[in-house]
Amino acid sequence: DQQVKQNSPSLSVQEGRISILNCDYTNSMFDYFLWYKKYPAEGPTFLISISSIKDKNEDGRFTVFLNKSAKHLSLHIVPSQPGDSAVYFCAASSESGGSYIPTFGRGTSLIVHP
Amino acid sequence: GAGVSQSPSNKVTEKGKDVELRCDPISGHTALYWYRQSLGQGLEFLIYFQGNSAPDKSGLPSDRFSAERTGGSVSTLTIQRTQQEDSAVYLCASSLLGGYGYTFGSGTRLTVV
Repeated sequence: DQQVKQNSPSLSVQEGRISILNCDYTNSMFDYFLWYKKYPAEGPTFLISISSIKDKNEDGRFTVFLNKSAKHLSLHIVPSQPGDSAVYFCAASSESGGSYIPTFGRGTSLIVHP
Repeated sequence: GAGVSQSPSNKVTEKGKDVELRCDPISGHTALYWYRQSLGQGLEFLIYFQGNSAPDKSGLPSDRFSAERTGGSVSTLTIQRTQQEDSAVYLCASSLLGGYGYTFGSGTRLTVV
């Protein structure tokens, strides 16, 4: 039973346009959300995060939106660049005995065409 | 070190053999995690170490899997009597306090033939 779902396995976008990657979760105890980017043959790298007390967090071209009532978050990349082509993982976590062990989705492969 | 180091980067083993995967976390990071990514799947949590506390082993898929962390630093994930379904990329991550800011290694790609 997937607690974190990324329903789109792939997304193709033209350079300069907006990329929107979506993520849904089922566990209402999740209170911290992260996005990771992964290039082939490399480990995932942290991109941006958001706490459940916020509904938006922005870092340069990357913005994460959180809709707690819908248990949905999205990552917006504007403008998209060819170097953004990678697999993007959504992750969610909740405090459990003082540790935060994130649960990851299956990832969305983003391709940005020049 | 500057980043999380994992070795080997690739490992091909015969079914039934034991394998050891190594993770060298960032110096000073007290928390260490093992995940694996099977083909077409997300990152599956395996085990979590935090300082001197007992590890959280809740993600280990079977008793053929075990991990240890010596001296609060290097960790070894051992898979005994490997099966073909163990084929995956095994990723290690560390963080400063067991909270946010995980840094992943490049992973070990394990292929069981």
